[in-house]
Amino acid sequence: DVKVTQSSRYLVKRTGEKVFLECVQDMDHENMFWYRQDPGLGLRLIYFSYDVKMKEKGDIPEGYSVSREKKERFSLILESASTNQTSMYLCASSSSGVSYNEQFFGPGTRLTVL
Amino acid sequence: GENVEQHPSTLSVQEGDSAVIKCTYSDSASNYFPWYKQELGKGPQLIIDIRSNVGEKKDQRIAVTLNKTAKHFSLHITETQPEDSAVYFCAAYSSNTGNQFYFGTGTSLTVIP
Repeated sequence: DVKVTQSSRYLVKRTGEKVFLECVQDMDHENMFWYRQDPGLGLRLIYFSYDVKMKEKGDIPEGYSVSREKKERFSLILESASTNQTSMYLCASSSSGVSYNEQFFGPGTRLTVL
Repeated sequence: GENVEQHPSTLSVQEGDSAVIKCTYSDSASNYFPWYKQELGKGPQLIIDIRSNVGEKKDQRIAVTLNKTAKHFSLHITETQPEDSAVYFCAAYSSNTGNQFYFGTGTSLTVIP
């Protein structure tokens, strides 16, 4: 059974803290993604990575950075958390093979920044 | 980049009735259109998809139609059941945008028993 796991389901942080969100996939996928989900805005892409140590900005990268040191792990970093980063964060992965399109999502991390 | 619009934002139907969710896209190069279902407390999961060389695809009670000329695609759920209650997202993918998907804003479907 394919799986994308995220380190926390719920997280509460204070303004200015550095926050790490971790994502691990066990499908040997090349591509990994970080989205944030907000009511009425759908899923918006923050960053994605198509290979180890590679990263590409999505639509809303400001205030975020990412790290991909190993193929199975993709980390999202909030250098200095702010209240407007309170959101649901979803990680996803996909293959670059023939069936490259389907993205598999993790259960999400609901982050609250106080 | 691509712009995907999705309607309606909320939809309530009686059990057994049909539900239709519609999406439009802007990039004529988009060639893959998946639909995801997100149940409460879970991440989105692919339920059906369609590629640009196909006009319609069915999988039991779920079907998707694509009109490339008009740049719109729709999800049809027939004989709805309470377990169909969820948030549904459409998405569009274009090779012009690398590996990036563009998602609609979601439709919250409630099936009333």
